Amino acid sequence: QVTLKESGPVLVKPTETLTLTCTVSGFSLDNDRMGVSWIRQPPGKALEWLAHIFSSYEKAYTTSLKSRLTISKDTSKSQVVLTMTNMDPVDTGTYYCARTPETTWEPLDWWGQGIMVTVSS
Amino acid sequence: DVVMTQSPLSLPVTLGQAASISCRSSQSLVYSDGNTYLNWFHQRPGQSPRRLIYEVSIRDSGVPDRFSGSGSGTDFTLKISRVEAEDVGVYYCMQGTHWPWTFGQGTKVEIK
Repeated sequence: QVTLKESGPVLVKPTETLTLTCTVSGFSLDNDRMGVSWIRQPPGKALEWLAHIFSSYEKAYTTSLKSRLTISKDTSKSQVVLTMTNMDPVDTGTYYCARTPETTWEPLDWWGQGIMVTVSS
Repeated sequence: DVVMTQSPLSLPVTLGQAASISCRSSQSLVYSDGNTYLNWFHQRPGQSPRRLIYEVSIRDSGVPDRFSGSGSGTDFTLKISRVEAEDVGVYYCMQGTHWPWTFGQGTKVEIK
C-alpha cells in the first residue's frame, strides 16, 4: 500500500528555517523511478506547487520561492526533505508531499495527509 | 510560468444536475511527446487533494464515470454529469507539462 507522511515542526518563528520530511512506503524512491513533489496551501487558499525531486536526483522549484527552497532525498530512509529558509507568517499553511511515477508521467497520483505549519513569534 | 485560470470560482449546483468547470492555460499544454499533461484534483473540506483525471480525460481508478474531462491546447473542461452530495469541495486544474508546475485558483462546488 502506497503511503506518504509529512513530519516536522508545527510552529516556527519568523526568519527561522523550516525543515519538513516526507516518509514514503509502498514504493521505492530509486528503484521504482518515482519523483516526489511538495505542495502547500495557505488556510482557505489555493494549492501552490513548490518543488520536485526526480529519481535521478534532478530538482525543480517554483520560480517565486526558488531562492529559499531546497529539496533532497535519502533513499535509504525512503525520505524526501524540504527546507525553506527565512520563514514569514505568509508561509503559514498546510504542506503536502505527493508522488509522481516517472515511467507513465501521471503527476501527483498519491498525496500525504499534510502537515499544518504556523509561522508566528 | 504558465498561468492556469479557472471559472467560475464558485459553483452552486442542485443535486442531480450537471456542473461544468473551465480551465484555461496561458500557453499550450501539449508536450513534445504529443501528450497533454492537464490534471484535475478534488479536495473535500479537511482532506488532502485527490487526483480525479490526468492527461485531460483519463479517469483515475475508482473515480465515478459521472466525471469527465475534455479539451485541448489551452482550453479544458471538467464536467460532472449528475452532481451528488459527495462531490462538494474545491476542484483544481493543474498543468504538468511545463516547469514549474502550476495550479488553478480552484472552483468551490456547493449544493444549493
